[in-house]
Amino acid sequence: GNSVTQMEGPVTLSEEAFLTINCTYTATGYPSLFWYVQYPGEGLQLLLKATKADDKGSNKGFEATYRKETTSFHLEKGSVQVSDSAVYFCALTAISGGSYIPTFGRGTSLIVHP
Amino acid sequence: SQTIHQWPATLVQPVGSPLSLECTVEGTSNPNLYWYRQAAGRGLQLLFYSVGIGQISSEVPQNLSASRPQDRQFILSSKKLLLSDSGFYLCAWSVLQGAAETQYFGPGTRLLVL
Repeated sequence: GNSVTQMEGPVTLSEEAFLTINCTYTATGYPSLFWYVQYPGEGLQLLLKATKADDKGSNKGFEATYRKETTSFHLEKGSVQVSDSAVYFCALTAISGGSYIPTFGRGTSLIVHP
Repeated sequence: SQTIHQWPATLVQPVGSPLSLECTVEGTSNPNLYWYRQAAGRGLQLLFYSVGIGQISSEVPQNLSASRPQDRQFILSSKKLLLSDSGFYLCAWSVLQGAAETQYFGPGTRLLVL
């Protein structure tokens, strides 16, 4: 079956530091890849997505590139802010039995200190 | 634009009592709908998904059930709550956008079973 593996958290950084959250996946066919962000007490918000190999998704200074050869979709940001503190989920959707079934990673907590 | 509503926002229920959580989507037709549970500090667990009215697929056998009486309404129910049912319940809808089946989440319902 499909699976998504994220690096264990929490990731603790100082403001303006560089961020990388690793995400690797296994899937049959050609999945679409996503990053979602969850702020405390809220639902998940779509952060960015990529639908085919070498696509780069970007939003709010975050970027991730769909790497088919390494089955990865690592999230990066050049300079994090305190307001980026949240839980980040890597996810994929791939067609299975005629339906697009989503698969989520376990989430990585990011804590940014001033 | 599309919006998704969940209610109630928070709920405290005694063990053995019934449950009904409601989710409605506006601004789209025939969406795929999903119920997830998120235990404290943990990832997402897909409970049910629906591709159409009256069509429900269960991902995890348990004392919860789901129904879709209308195209944009998704209800999560239980006849008798257990302590282990406590958690954060998220409803989501999805639509095929280009090559990606993208999910959008509601604000969630926090359920505490005492």
